[in-house]
Amino acid sequence: GAVVSQHPSWVICKSGTSVKIECRSLDFQATTMFWYRQFPKQSLMLMATSNEGSKATYEQGVEKDKFLINHASLTLSTLTVTSAHPEDSSFYICSARGRAGRTGELFFGEGSRLTVL
Amino acid sequence: GESVGLHLPTLSVQEGDNSIINCAYSNSASDYFIWYKQESGKGPQFIIDIRSNMDKRQGQRVTVLLNKTVKHLSLQIAATQPGDSAVYFCAENGPSNTGKLIFGQGTTLQVKP
Repeated sequence: GAVVSQHPSWVICKSGTSVKIECRSLDFQATTMFWYRQFPKQSLMLMATSNEGSKATYEQGVEKDKFLINHASLTLSTLTVTSAHPEDSSFYICSARGRAGRTGELFFGEGSRLTVL
Repeated sequence: GESVGLHLPTLSVQEGDNSIINCAYSNSASDYFIWYKQESGKGPQFIIDIRSNMDKRQGQRVTVLLNKTVKHLSLQIAATQPGDSAVYFCAENGPSNTGKLIFGQGTTLQVKP
């Protein structure tokens, strides 16, 4: 089946630094990727929709200058958390949708756990 | 530090019993629903889906029921096994079939041996 890979799976950084998380679709071309954030014991909250070759669409309340999203190719989207602070510590999960995929044909990555000290 | 949110409700069942996990969805216009299983430290794993033109769909050991009148979904797991222990989320498709999913609160399923 389709596989979506995230890297790194976990990262620890100092406050004020920037961290980049990659989301790759390994065996299909993903025209659309989604980025979610999940705090402990909570549900997944959609942060933004990333379309290949265009600007990402952010959900209300998500700072676009803080969470930079780039979807430069059909198999790769990146999320950069700029000037990270402890409150940005969370589990970041991406999902990818193929060209002809219905809403439900979404494939999730394994998540990236960010800890900001 | 991190904000403190609500803890997920927990369902505790005996191994071999059937489990029923419930979910209320928000948008009466949603026409597609999915159940996901999430194990600790991992991404969501697809279990089963259902379209709004159906009220029941069965998979292997799992059944999803949809009641559009009260905007309610349930996931039934037959003969629950220890490997079923996880957090279960329902999700509904977002507006305009964009592929955006809106996730429900989630339920922790604990299976006692």
